[in-house]
Amino acid sequence: DGGITQSPKYLFRKEGQNVTLSCEQNLNHDAMYWYRQDPGQGLRLIYYSQIVNDFQKGDIAEGYSVSREKKESFPLTVTSAQKNPTAFYLCASSLSERAEAFFGQGTRLTVV
Amino acid sequence: SQQGEEDPQALSIQEGENATMNCSYKTSINNLQWYRQNSGRGLVHLILIRSNEREKHSGRLRVTLDTSKKSSSLLITASRAADTASYFCATGPTNDYKLSFGAGTTVTVRA
Repeated sequence: DGGITQSPKYLFRKEGQNVTLSCEQNLNHDAMYWYRQDPGQGLRLIYYSQIVNDFQKGDIAEGYSVSREKKESFPLTVTSAQKNPTAFYLCASSLSERAEAFFGQGTRLTVV
Repeated sequence: SQQGEEDPQALSIQEGENATMNCSYKTSINNLQWYRQNSGRGLVHLILIRSNEREKHSGRLRVTLDTSKKSSSLLITASRAADTASYFCATGPTNDYKLSFGAGTTVTVRA
């Protein structure tokens, strides 16, 4: 099955700890994205990547880091510098800047 | 800042009625896209309209785009209970991969 997979679905983190969210796609898409969604809100762009070994900050990159070492993978690390990390995180990919985006099912991160 | 902004924030309609929501954006775009999100799930792509198109249809969906007003509308005809969801518009600036979403319109279809 072709698609985009996020794991885990639910994640709990203690304050002060870094945590990495996984995003893998087998669609051979060049572009990948990370978004954050708070309850009742829209999606805010954290980071995006057009190509392997390259990525750009979105609108709310502070406290987050990413890597793009492989075309199919775009992990997101939520660092201890992110003051309010509890949210729903969505990963997406697209073939190009003129194409539709495909989304994973999301990871719900809770800081305990 | 978010590129697209939807209006209204929420909409409640009776099954069988039409639902219309609007999206405004700020910069020149390659295309404008509409997505649906069911509660707690990922987004599903509905329709993409290119900057040189004015109207597009897909099943019960009709999208219009007015680049002079930097606005788009999504019409869902003959709504069903299964159309209950949040709807988002998304835009990307010309020659950029950045894809930004608005705050969304929450649609409730009453049986």
